[in-house]
Amino acid sequence: NAGVTQTPKFQVLKTGQSMTLQCAQDMNHEYMSWYRQDPGMGLRLIHYSVGAGITDQGEVPNGYNVSRSTTEDFPLRLLSAAPSQTSVYFCASSPTARQGYTFGSGTRLTVV
Amino acid sequence: DAKTTQPTSMDCAEGRAANLPCNHSTISGNEYVYWYRQIHSQGPQYIIHGLKNNETNEMASLIITEDRKSSTLILPHATLRDTAVYYCIAYSGTYKYIFGTGTRLKVLA
Repeated sequence: NAGVTQTPKFQVLKTGQSMTLQCAQDMNHEYMSWYRQDPGMGLRLIHYSVGAGITDQGEVPNGYNVSRSTTEDFPLRLLSAAPSQTSVYFCASSPTARQGYTFGSGTRLTVV
Repeated sequence: DAKTTQPTSMDCAEGRAANLPCNHSTISGNEYVYWYRQIHSQGPQYIIHGLKNNETNEMASLIITEDRKSSTLILPHATLRDTAVYYCIAYSGTYKYIFGTGTRLKVLA
């Protein structure tokens, strides 16, 4: 039981490049979310999903796309990377809307 | 979901109880209080949550006032490994946790 696995752990992108941050969970959780955390700040919700095929926007969705084709996977796509997207990205999952979320260890992204 | 207010930082001696307060004066009846912590730059870790009754688990206790306008997270015997940022969140189940800046707890040897 690996929990929530995020890959890669570190990434450097050039402005304008695209990439996908991977998130996988093996706990059969329906609810999954992506957050970003900027230095000295709390986490901000980017996108979330309440089940396979269902996604919605959070607080800061611009510049990011998501899809949820399976219960296990919830990838986050950066369409055209910008320096403002330099951040630490966390994926999280939960079995229900009210139970606590399990977070991954994060992806540290730098856009130059 | 209601906004929460926490002190920016606190210190606690190792082995003593750490009491972390949270104000949520505008909390509504269907909002639970959740606590998470983030150790260094790791992903946040769920600690405990409750609605109106006091809750206890293997990590901590949560005391919610009768009017539900504030709560306290209690780590009964703090260790150096409890040094972290602690987040208090009021959440109604709308999938959108709002994380504030939390309380930076430093446990002193």
